[in-house]
Amino acid sequence: DGGITQSPKYLFRKEGQNVTLSCEQNLNHDAMYWYRQDPGQGLRLIYYSQIVNDFQKGDIAEGYSVSREKKESFPLTVTSAQKNPTAFYLCASSIDPYNEQFFGPGTRLTVL
Amino acid sequence: DQQVKQNSPSLSVQEGRISILNCDYTNSMFDYFLWYKKYPAEGPTFLISISSIKDKNEDGRFTVFLNKSAKHLSLHIVPSQPGDSAVYFCAASSGNTGKLIFGQGTTLQVKP
Repeated sequence: DGGITQSPKYLFRKEGQNVTLSCEQNLNHDAMYWYRQDPGQGLRLIYYSQIVNDFQKGDIAEGYSVSREKKESFPLTVTSAQKNPTAFYLCASSIDPYNEQFFGPGTRLTVL
Repeated sequence: DQQVKQNSPSLSVQEGRISILNCDYTNSMFDYFLWYKKYPAEGPTFLISISSIKDKNEDGRFTVFLNKSAKHLSLHIVPSQPGDSAVYFCAASSGNTGKLIFGQGTTLQVKP
């Protein structure tokens, strides 16, 4: 089955620690994206990548980092510099930037 | 600066009737619009999209209307079913970046 997987589903971290969220897709999509959702709000773009070994900052990139070493993988690191990291994180991919994005199931990160 | 707005946080409709969800945008450069459906703690599911060269797109029970002069789009669901109860997000993008700007979402409740 083709799709997007995110792991883990729930993640807890202590303040001051970095944590990496996994995102894998087997849809052969070129473009991948990371969004953050906070309660009562829409999704906000953190980073996106249109092709392997290239990525761009989204609207709220501060405190986050990404890599795109493989087409199917786009991990997101939430660093200790992110002031309010507790949120629901969603990864998406699309065949190219001109088409609809398909989302993974999300990871809920809680900072204790 | 909220470029995409869904001014109705919630909507309640009787089963079998029409559901109309609205979305307004401010950026005249947006040329691609999408609607997503989302259940709590899950990733959004793509429903339907429309390009700015069209004013209507239909897919089964779902129809999206675009009024470029008013910078307004709407999603019509006919007939509404209890399984349609979810949060609906509209999103917009411009150019070839694939960057989606999301509205805040509207919670639809379809009553049996």
